[in-house]
Amino acid sequence: GENVEQHPSTLSVQEGDSAVIKCTYSDSASNYFPWYKQELGKRPQLIIDIRSNVGEKKDQRIAVTLNKTAKHFSLHITETQPEDSAVYFCAASKGRYSSYKLIFGSGTRLLVRP
Amino acid sequence: NAGVTQTPKFQVLKTGQSMTLQCAQDMNHEYMSWYRQDPGMGLRLIHYSVGAGITDQGEVPNGYNVSRSTTEDFPLRLLSAAPSQTSVYFCASSYNRGLGQASHTDTQYFGPGTRLTVL
Repeated sequence: GENVEQHPSTLSVQEGDSAVIKCTYSDSASNYFPWYKQELGKRPQLIIDIRSNVGEKKDQRIAVTLNKTAKHFSLHITETQPEDSAVYFCAASKGRYSSYKLIFGSGTRLLVRP
Repeated sequence: NAGVTQTPKFQVLKTGQSMTLQCAQDMNHEYMSWYRQDPGMGLRLIHYSVGAGITDQGEVPNGYNVSRSTTEDFPLRLLSAAPSQTSVYFCASSYNRGLGQASHTDTQYFGPGTRLTVL
């Protein structure tokens, strides 16, 4: 079955710097790759997603890139702010409208130092 | 819309007890899922459903049962609780067929979670 590995497990950056979180997946049939942000004690919330027919997607300060050949995808946050501090999870699934059976990475705890 | 709701918020069980975690959604979503979240392990898929009367196993189904008699509800049953089932449980739903090809058609929305402790 699918396996998703996420690195690093913790990341500390200075406010205003960029943060990059990387994930690799094992199943070449996977075609949907969302990223979730989870604040302490809260539910995960989708921040951005990408499908395998697209190499890059951007939404304001957040971007995701996908390399299907290498089977990895990355989250890029620019101009980080203290409110970006949270745990970020990547995930993967395959099939159309397949977000109901996501396989998650183990998470990255991001700390943005003011 | 209330979105995805879960009850209870907290629960303490003794080993061997059974209970049902409730999940409901009012977004006319066809797909619903249950995940558990343990420290340092991310979220793991327990069971999922693609419609009323249809369920299937995820990564970690042992010790849990589900049923989907209506589109709105997807309860998770712990048959005989064990300390290894101490976790935070999240229900999620997605896919409103009526949205057609809209970009957020299959965005998965999570409930607020149930924190379960098994002694």
